[in-house]
Amino acid sequence: GENVEQHPSTLSVQEGDSAVIKCTYSDSASNYFPWYKQELGKRPQLIIDIRSNVGEKKDQRIAVTLNKTAKHFSLHITETQPEDSAVYFCAATPNYGGATNKLIFGTGTLLAVQP
Amino acid sequence: GAGVSQSPRYKVAKRGQDVALRCDPISGHVSLFWYQQALGQGPEFLTYFQNEAQLDKSGLPSDRFFAERPEGSVSTLKIQRTQQEDSAVYLCASSRAQGAGQPQHFGDGTRLSIL
Repeated sequence: GENVEQHPSTLSVQEGDSAVIKCTYSDSASNYFPWYKQELGKRPQLIIDIRSNVGEKKDQRIAVTLNKTAKHFSLHITETQPEDSAVYFCAATPNYGGATNKLIFGTGTLLAVQP
Repeated sequence: GAGVSQSPRYKVAKRGQDVALRCDPISGHVSLFWYQQALGQGPEFLTYFQNEAQLDKSGLPSDRFFAERPEGSVSTLKIQRTQQEDSAVYLCASSRAQGAGQPQHFGDGTRLSIL
């Protein structure tokens, strides 16, 4: 089955700096890769996603890149702000040809933005 | 409602008791997912519904776990004879349609503690 690895597990940056979180996946048939932000005790919130037919997507300060050949995708946050501090999860949807679109999550990255 | 609603937010039960967790998906969303999130980990898939049909229950950890969505809207996750290892946050997510690449929107979860 699909396996998603995420690095680093913790990341501390100064306000205004960029942050990069990387994930790799094992199933080459996976075709959808969302990123979620989860604050303590809150729900995971979808912040950006990318499909396998696209190499890069950007939304204001957030961007995601996908390298299908290497089976890895990355989240880039520019001009970080203290409110970006949270746990970030990457995920992949394996395409088994069936109806299930379950998400396989990485282990999370705790991002701390220091003011 | 505006988002996925889960109840109760917190549930404390003694080992051996049965519990029932409720999920109200976003109105009109066809797909509904249950995930289990242990402390410090990413969510793990439990089961998936398309309307009232449970199409994938491969993630349910044992036959003590049972889920239903009888009318294709509200879903209930039931855990019988609870064990301490069942302690976790149970997250529900819904998406508008079936098929790969459909964004999943999460509820705030139910934090279950088994004493």
